Amino acid sequence: DIVLTQSPGTLSLSPGERATLSCRASQSIPYNYLAWYQQRPGQAPRPLISWASSRATGIPDRFSGSGSGTDFTLTISGLEPEDSGVYYCQQYGSMPLTFGGGTKVEI
Amino acid sequence: QVQLVESGGGEVKPGGSLRLSCAASGFTFSEAHMSWIRQAPGKGLEWLSCIAPGDNFIKYADSVRGRFTVSRDNAGNSLYLHMNSLRADDTAIYYCATEGNYKPHEYWGQGALVTVSS
Repeated sequence: DIVLTQSPGTLSLSPGERATLSCRASQSIPYNYLAWYQQRPGQAPRPLISWASSRATGIPDRFSGSGSGTDFTLTISGLEPEDSGVYYCQQYGSMPLTFGGGTKVEI
Repeated sequence: QVQLVESGGGEVKPGGSLRLSCAASGFTFSEAHMSWIRQAPGKGLEWLSCIAPGDNFIKYADSVRGRFTVSRDNAGNSLYLHMNSLRADDTAIYYCATEGNYKPHEYWGQGALVTVSS
């Protein structure tokens, strides 16, 4: 199974700052089958990024994804209060599909 | 617009059974892989199962294989999760979501709460 390790566990930042979230895989993820999801309290997750760097429909361009192989990054530039929540990475190229443990972003 | 609506959650005793349903609309359900994902209280996301459009490809997480069965009714645009031999650690919000087979989960339901308690 591909294990995804996210860091840091919690990120406390101010509005306007930049957040850098890391997702490291235990083995190389083929074809960048890596997604990022945002989950606000009491809500279902919503997709932000797929194929490591493609923004989902309607996602603001302050969200960007990068990386390949085993190291991936989600960057949120110019944090806004509504960006608070937990962010999960997921690999969807190898069964069983796996999620990282999440990074909580506090603003 | 795409809608996924789960139902069938509730409280059940350890060892009991429950069936979750997911009603889909707004897309061609019969052409989409579908997945079940759960989230225990205060915990992260756990993928459980994925089923192909024609039932010819079904995968499970080790944690539920042999106890849970996924099925679908393409004519009725519905996805199901049959859960047997439920344990306390199966307590979670259960989400249905689109895709999962080489595609991200673009759409999610609002979730159904399952509580396993004596």
